Amino acid sequence: AQTVTQSQPEMSVQEAETVTLSCTYDTSESDYYLFWYKQPPSRQMILVIRQEAYKQQNATENRFSVNFQKAAKSFSLKISDSQLGDAAMYFCAYRSVSGAQKLVFGQGTRLTINP
Amino acid sequence: ETGVTQTPRHLVMGMTNKKSLKCEQHLGHNAMYWYKQSAKKPLELMFVYSLEERVENNSVPSRFSPECPNSSHLFLHLHTLQPEDSALYLCASSQDTVRETQYFGPGTRLLVL
Repeated sequence: AQTVTQSQPEMSVQEAETVTLSCTYDTSESDYYLFWYKQPPSRQMILVIRQEAYKQQNATENRFSVNFQKAAKSFSLKISDSQLGDAAMYFCAYRSVSGAQKLVFGQGTRLTINP
Repeated sequence: ETGVTQTPRHLVMGMTNKKSLKCEQHLGHNAMYWYKQSAKKPLELMFVYSLEERVENNSVPSRFSPECPNSSHLFLHLHTLQPEDSALYLCASSQDTVRETQYFGPGTRLLVL
């Protein structure tokens, strides 16, 4: 079974600086998807970024980018120019494209932005 | 904002009550999901529906009963719950169950007394 591990329960960063959230996963599959979701205090889970495993190029969405290392099974999220609105729980998630179709989530990282 | 809504947003119920959670998606998606989010635990998938047919039941106790009358609506019927069932229940939808991204609703915060 696939597992997702986020080893940082909490992180903090100064406003306008850069922070990297870690995620590792375990799978025997070669084709899959990886996601970062953000859950602000209002509780709405929002998609931040998505990566297809067959693509070597790292996904980017404005200030958010990932470092996808397939061989190492690592999928970190970098947030540049951190803003107060980035404060939230961040969840890394894995999704297979065969068999079980569910999202497997990590435990989450709580990100605090210091003004 | 996502096009997935959930009602109620908060619910308190006794162990002998029967209640239902409602989810509606306005995105034209064909798949819908129920997740449970408990404190200090990863989100757990409960049920998956694709084109109104249940395609996955993730070993959920029978006191949780899902219903998907059409591709836009998903219900979770609750009866004789236990205090450990208190959690945030999240609904999500996606275009399909294979390659498409899931979009989440705001959740229902459930407290079982």
